[in-house]
Amino acid sequence: DAGVTQSPTHLIKTRGQQVTLRCSPKSGHDTVSWYQQALGQGPQFIFQYYEEEERQRGNFPDRFSGHQFPNYSSELNVNALLLGDSALYLCASSSYPGELFFGEGSRLTVL
Amino acid sequence: TQLLEQSPQFLSIQEGENLTVYCNSSSVFSSLQWYRQEPGEGPVLLVTVVTGGEVKKLKRLTFQFGDARKDSSLHITAAQPGDTGLYLCAGRGSARQLTFGSGTQLTVLP
Repeated sequence: DAGVTQSPTHLIKTRGQQVTLRCSPKSGHDTVSWYQQALGQGPQFIFQYYEEEERQRGNFPDRFSGHQFPNYSSELNVNALLLGDSALYLCASSSYPGELFFGEGSRLTVL
Repeated sequence: TQLLEQSPQFLSIQEGENLTVYCNSSSVFSSLQWYRQEPGEGPVLLVTVVTGGEVKKLKRLTFQFGDARKDSSLHITAAQPGDTGLYLCAGRGSARQLTFGSGTQLTVLP
């Protein structure tokens, strides 16, 4: 049984560009949450998707958007990249109110 | 906004020593979780505590949830190099989301 898979694992972008990160949840999970983790810090909640809709959102600007597909997979989009967007982006899947399972993350570097 | 503060931020100890990591908040959480994260990987759940005053043991790790469900501690006995990692506490409040603490980076030296 595959766990949470994320792609790409690493990517480098320049300021002003746009990026799309992808996440496939663990089998049987219908909820996907996205987190941003700066180096040496705890993950910060970006948003959560359930039934193809954004259900909750953390304190992130509108440059951060997402989508959930009928097969429960999800994308995170970030527009107009800033240097401060450099971080590890984690996807976590769950079937409420169960445990969150995290992927290995996508490491984004903005130059 | 519910905030979780962890202390210490960094901890470097010798193999065999004991240590305690603290997680504090001014908010009440319905449950609190502890995760460990290793470099290049996502956080992995260690334990969930739900009841105020609850104590759970996982081998050499002891987790405690405060009576008021606002704080928690993680105690490791006879630490080993394999315990090295970033320890994160996370609280679940009224919403479905988890709020994470800032983490404690533990290094156990052989």
